[in-house]
Amino acid sequence: GENVEQHPSTLSVQEGDSAVIKCTYSDSASNYFPWYKQELGKGPQLIIDIRSNVGEKKDQRIAVTLNKTAKHFSLHITETQPEDSAVYFCAASNQGAQKLVFGQGTRLTINP
Amino acid sequence: SAVISQKPSRDICQRGTSLTIQCQVDSQVTMMFWYRQQPGQSLTLIATANQGSEATYESGFVIDKFPISRPNLTFSTLTVSNMSPEDSSIYLCSARTPGAYEQYFGPGTRLTVT
Repeated sequence: GENVEQHPSTLSVQEGDSAVIKCTYSDSASNYFPWYKQELGKGPQLIIDIRSNVGEKKDQRIAVTLNKTAKHFSLHITETQPEDSAVYFCAASNQGAQKLVFGQGTRLTINP
Repeated sequence: SAVISQKPSRDICQRGTSLTIQCQVDSQVTMMFWYRQQPGQSLTLIATANQGSEATYESGFVIDKFPISRPNLTFSTLTVSNMSPEDSSIYLCSARTPGAYEQYFGPGTRLTVT
């Protein structure tokens, strides 16, 4: 089955700098890759996603890139703000199976 | 998108008892899922709740321990049976809307078993 590896497990950046989180997946049939943000005491919130037919997607300060050949995808957050501090999870899904497999999570801390 | 609510938001239960968690979605959805998130860990899928038929369980999870109901297109329940301290976790409900890839999550139920 699918296996998703996420790095780093913790990331600390200065406010205003950029943050990058990387994930690799094992199943070449996976074709949907969402990213979730989970704040303390809350459920995961979908922040951006990408399908396998595109290589990059951007929404304001966040972007996701996908390299199907290498089977990895990344989350990029620019101009980071204190409210970006949270745990971020990547996931992968084969839409035929319709199940999400999650990475281990990255705890992002933005230092003012 | 779909807005998902869960009840209770948290509970403290005694060993050997059972707790039923409710999940309500504000619109009709095709797929509903139940996840477990142990403290400081990632999300693990327990089962897919199928409307009108038995749930589909992932490896390591069984119906006797985690019975699931889905009586209609907007509601599901997960019961954690014969609880032990190892069942202390956050239990999350999620759903997909028809024709969409996106999966949305509820706020979670924080369960502590003493």
